[in-house]
Amino acid sequence: GAGVSQSPSNKVTEKGKDVELRCDPISGHTALYWYRQRLGQGLEFLIYFQGNSAPDKSGLPSDRFSAERTGESVSTLTIQRTQQEDSAVYLCASSLVPGGNTEAFFGQGTRLTVV
Amino acid sequence: GESVGLHLPTLSVQEGDNSIINCAYSNSASDYFIWYKQESGKGPQFIIDIRSNMDKRQGQRVTVLLNKTVKHLSLQIAATQPGDSAVYFCAENRVDSSYKLIFGSGTRLLVRP
Repeated sequence: GAGVSQSPSNKVTEKGKDVELRCDPISGHTALYWYRQRLGQGLEFLIYFQGNSAPDKSGLPSDRFSAERTGESVSTLTIQRTQQEDSAVYLCASSLVPGGNTEAFFGQGTRLTVV
Repeated sequence: GESVGLHLPTLSVQEGDNSIINCAYSNSASDYFIWYKQESGKGPQFIIDIRSNMDKRQGQRVTVLLNKTVKHLSLQIAATQPGDSAVYFCAENRVDSSYKLIFGSGTRLLVRP
């Protein structure tokens, strides 16, 4: 596709349920990022994938959060046993090379609401 | 996670005036910086970037200034228009093992007609 695609665009889930958020990066982009953005706030780094290197998981807020990436394509962010504090927009971005002086392109985000 | 926990500061400007949005970054070893614009309900979009070997870069109506001495970045928007109303974020590329992009806290720009 032409840009980064995220699905679903909106997700409402009950507290305690698990959710999976999907990101399709731009073809050929080796780096992929996940960020969380709470209402009216900035972008909180969650996790970063770069090629076959071990992902940088330093931003994941708890062990309920995990993410996988298949090669240099689709990534899935999973939140287990969701809590109301998990409500936010989850943004995915990809870049051609690792941060490395190239911009990251963002998807439109998945708005997660935990009720 | 890293970056932002505070509500966004707001800059209000008159249409046609120049806007200056500031950002302080944290890592003196960061070598690449980007300004992003985020409109309501959308993902951030690239505006302009600058490498650490430069102190100024100009685009169309926008200029980025980098002061490495005080670790400060600014975005200047000339002749601000209503369409410039958005939240603006700076991001730094940290020179460490992972090269991840870390975002600043953001500034909301409101353009008064």
